[in-house]
Amino acid sequence: GESVGLHLPTLSVQEGDNSIINCAYSNSASDYFIWYKQESGKGPQFIIDIRSNMDKRQGQRVTVLLNKTVKHLSLQIAATQPGDSAVYFCAENEKANSKLTFGKGITLSVRP
Amino acid sequence: EPEVTQTPSHQVTQMGQEVILRCVPISNHLYFYWYRQILGQKVEFLVSFYNNEISEKSEIFDDQFSVERPDGSNFTLKIRSTKLEDSAMYFCASSRTSWQFFGPGTRLTVL
Repeated sequence: GESVGLHLPTLSVQEGDNSIINCAYSNSASDYFIWYKQESGKGPQFIIDIRSNMDKRQGQRVTVLLNKTVKHLSLQIAATQPGDSAVYFCAENEKANSKLTFGKGITLSVRP
Repeated sequence: EPEVTQTPSHQVTQMGQEVILRCVPISNHLYFYWYRQILGQKVEFLVSFYNNEISEKSEIFDDQFSVERPDGSNFTLKIRSTKLEDSAMYFCASSRTSWQFFGPGTRLTVL
């Protein structure tokens, strides 16, 4: 069946370093891939998305890379800050406005 | 900045009781969703709603669950007879084009 999963449960990085969070997916029909950030007690917050016809997309301090050959998605955060500490989820759906399938989540902890 | 709101933030109920979770989606959005997250686990899709009808639902969304958009602003999730395993965070989301925006969630505790 379709699933989205994350390789590592936790990631600890030094403030100022770059962070890379990885995600594997199995549904080859997925067209949209999204990264969400969830802070304690809050709902998932959209960070960045990428469509299946792209392999890279950049935002402010964040970059998402998509490798469809190996069904792999990554989120790169440049110059990680304490405010980046949260749980990060990758999610995917087959078309716009359809159900999202989430991965398990990875906790990013930023050391001062 | 427009946002999705949810009430209550925390609901405690006895097993077997009915609960209604309320959401106010972003005003110009057309697609509405409910997800849930059991503590420490991933977010799971429950149901999506468009044009006043359910467009998709998961196997979790059985006959005990129902959704309604009673007016032009509210979107509700009803659980008719709660079970212990319904304890979770319930998130409402809405979208217009593709991005789904999530509310802060309602924590449901079933005793």
